Amino acid sequence: GENVEQHPSTLSVQEGDSAVIKCTYSDSASNYFPWYKQELGKRPQLIIDIRSNVGEKKDQRIAVTLNKTAKHFSLHITETQPEDSAVYFCAARGSQGNLIFGKGTKLSVKP
Amino acid sequence: NAGVTQTPKFQVLKTGQSMTLQCAQDMNHNSMYWYRQDPGMGLRLIYYSASEGTTDKGEVPNGYNVSRLNKREFSLRLESAAPSQTSVYFCASSLPGALGLGTEAFFGQGTRLTVV
Repeated sequence: GENVEQHPSTLSVQEGDSAVIKCTYSDSASNYFPWYKQELGKRPQLIIDIRSNVGEKKDQRIAVTLNKTAKHFSLHITETQPEDSAVYFCAARGSQGNLIFGKGTKLSVKP
Repeated sequence: NAGVTQTPKFQVLKTGQSMTLQCAQDMNHNSMYWYRQDPGMGLRLIYYSASEGTTDKGEVPNGYNVSRLNKREFSLRLESAAPSQTSVYFCASSLPGALGLGTEAFFGQGTRLTVV
């Protein structure tokens, strides 16, 4: 079945350092790849997304890259801040239009 | 706009009891989803509805039923609750994207369900 794998499951960085989270997907027909941030006790919220017709997208300190040939995409956060601490989920749009999520990465940014 | 609204926020059930989780969106979205979130398991799709009048099973549909009442509302029913259904449930909605590309899914605030 359709699957999204996400690594690492936990990530601890020092404030100001960069953080990278990687995901791979199984369905070569997937064409939409969002990233969600979930703070403790709250709902997931979109932070950035990328479609299959581009290879990279940036929004201030956040960037996402997509390699369709290898079927993987990554989230890059630069100059991390304590408020970046949260669980991050990658997702890929499945063949039926539904979103398939990775298992999440708990990011801790130490001041 | 309220976005995606779920009720209730919290619920405790006894094993074997039934209940319905309600979800409504006011963004005129065609697609709606129910996910469950368990520690270390991410968000797993229970059921989804690509459009009014259609529903499809997701990854973990057993023990659940859904109803797409109209374009706004998508309910999730547990007929006979089991402790394994203790979880946080999220409803979400999205538009189908142009040219088949996806668009952002908006989530409700979640329902924390405990089955004892």
